[in-house]
Amino acid sequence: DAKTTQPPSMDCAEGRAANLPCNHSTISGNEYVYWYRQIHSQGPQYIIHGLKNNETNEMASLIITEDRKSSTLILPHATLRDTAVYYCIVSVRTGANNLFFGTGTRLTVIP
Amino acid sequence: EAQVTQNPRYLITVTGKKLTVTCSQNMNHEYMSWYRQDPGLGLRQIYYSMNVEVTDKGDVPEGYKVSRKEKRNFPLILESPSPNQTSLYFCASSLSPQGDEKLFFGSGTQLSVL
Repeated sequence: DAKTTQPPSMDCAEGRAANLPCNHSTISGNEYVYWYRQIHSQGPQYIIHGLKNNETNEMASLIITEDRKSSTLILPHATLRDTAVYYCIVSVRTGANNLFFGTGTRLTVIP
Repeated sequence: EAQVTQNPRYLITVTGKKLTVTCSQNMNHEYMSWYRQDPGLGLRQIYYSMNVEVTDKGDVPEGYKVSRKEKRNFPLILESPSPNQTSLYFCASSLSPQGDEKLFFGSGTQLSVL
């Protein structure tokens, strides 16, 4: 699976949009981009995933560049509860479902 | 409620004393997996299971055993725990081994081996 690069930390003001970048320049055509987050020491929580097209759900939006080498997770109106470590992962569609979690981006939402 | 349940939440033990961390899911998921999380290293996969009686090693399997006799349960066994297995452990499951299925995680087990 392709590896990802994320900034180690980011701050965001409460109520503003949080834009979390991820580089995955070696992504292959059959690999999805996944985002998970982990609040304190709880189990990671799925946020969203996509292949080529931009995706949106009740939690966030995922913007994938046309060449698929990078993506951005957008939390439209960040709250204090969104303070967490956010993991960007790329993984193939078939085979063992081993999602490689790196060290992610620690997002701190500031009041 | 759909969930992955791990027990215990916290465990303190001594070197060499066999222990089992249980994991159960109520979603009829085929795929289950164990991860450990250590500071600065992210989550690393220990073992995974594609279905009943089908298990395989992940990235850091040394010192661990697993079994999958029933679809819902996937216990993690430490036959002779050592201090370097002190870690935060997570069990996870997904509907199938297909890569576009999302993983559901348990709440974690904080293990300390003295």
